Amino acid sequence: DQQVKQNSPSLSVQEGRISILNCDYTNSMFDYFLWYKKYPAEGPTFLISISSIKDKNEDGRFTVFLNKSAKHLSLHIVPSQPGDSAVYFCAATSLSGAGSYQLTFGKGTKLSVIP
Amino acid sequence: SQTIHQWPATLVQPVGSPLSLECTVEGTSNPNLYWYRQAAGRGLQLLFYSIGIDQISSEVPQNLSASRPQDRQFILSSKKLLLSDSGFYLCAWSRQLGNQPQHFGDGTRLSIL
Repeated sequence: DQQVKQNSPSLSVQEGRISILNCDYTNSMFDYFLWYKKYPAEGPTFLISISSIKDKNEDGRFTVFLNKSAKHLSLHIVPSQPGDSAVYFCAATSLSGAGSYQLTFGKGTKLSVIP
Repeated sequence: SQTIHQWPATLVQPVGSPLSLECTVEGTSNPNLYWYRQAAGRGLQLLFYSIGIDQISSEVPQNLSASRPQDRQFILSSKKLLLSDSGFYLCAWSRQLGNQPQHFGDGTRLSIL
């Protein structure tokens, strides 16, 4: 049962335009959502997060939107740059029985920004 | 600043051989530590997490084990590797307090022959 879903395995966007990466989740216990960026042969790098009490968080060119009623979040990158080309993972956390927060990842969306 | 180191970066092992992957964190104390695996075409799967020395929780039954002999050292092991153990293994850390992002190492690409 996949609790975090990224339904688009890939996305191509022209340089300078907006990239919109989408993510859906099913577990209503998730209370913190994150986006990670991953280059080949490297570990994921934390990009931006949002708490479930907010609906928007912005950091430079990156904005994350959360729609709790729809259990949907999205990452907007404006303007897109060729260096943004990477795999983007959506993730969500919930409190485990042992008292630590567990991350559940989606399968990722490969973004290609075309110069 | 905090850094996380994983080694080796790549590893080729025969079926049935043992495994030991190491991960160390610098610049922080008492972190939560995690081992993940990314199999080909799949997302990141949590294997183990640790909230303290010798405190290990396993998320999925498998051929692997984890140990935390020191506060900032996390080791992934196997006595006998299977073909299905191939994948990209990632170590991560996070602060203990509250809901915090996890920060990942650069991973180990493990190929079983």
